[in-house]
Amino acid sequence: EADIYQTPRYLVIGTGKKITLECSQTMGHDKMYWYQQDPGMELHLIHYSYGVNSTEKGDLSSESTVSRIRTEHFPLTLESARPSHTSQYLCASSGLAGSRTGTQYFGPGTRLTVL
Amino acid sequence: QQQVKQSPQSLIVQKGGISIINCAYENTAFDYFPWYQQFPGKGPALLIAIRPDVSEKKEGRFTISFNKSAKQFSLHIMDSQPGDSATYFCAASRRGSARQLTFGSGTQLTVLP
Repeated sequence: EADIYQTPRYLVIGTGKKITLECSQTMGHDKMYWYQQDPGMELHLIHYSYGVNSTEKGDLSSESTVSRIRTEHFPLTLESARPSHTSQYLCASSGLAGSRTGTQYFGPGTRLTVL
Repeated sequence: QQQVKQSPQSLIVQKGGISIINCAYENTAFDYFPWYQQFPGKGPALLIAIRPDVSEKKEGRFTISFNKSAKQFSLHIMDSQPGDSATYFCAASRRGSARQLTFGSGTQLTVLP
């Protein structure tokens, strides 16, 4: 079982609040990812990182930002939450350096509701 | 542009039956094809994966069939059990771009007891 953790698991907040979703992995993986998923629907990549101090935007445009200061930690921040941000956010990690497949391991997700 | 197309959207089978989920891809640069299983309220978990140099891979009751020329791959679940009821996603990745996964739209499988 993958050792990738996300906190909080559930978050209900009001419009305009700043929030940070935490993601940590203990597998020494260099690559990390954030996905957005509505219940039972397709996963959409919103951010990814090759390693420390490397972040890129994914295919789905997002108002969120990410940082990668430490290998194991990849937090996602929303400066001003809106109801349109209501969704599930999944963090994943992959690949020791040189991995041929890049198998991604997912955390349990954070279910965000913005009122 | 949806690069990985998955069908059916939902599937209901009887216990002991065979569940079959199909995916088709467009980008010939894809070289890794995993299947993920997701239960409600959980993150997706890797179920089984295949590379295009083989046509079939079997792990227990789960089999991937891969047709490189047709750019299609499928998941077969033999002797389906109620505990297999979940959403299944196919995916594909290629070298570069941090090995991003492109996911299919998902199949909600229900196995009736």
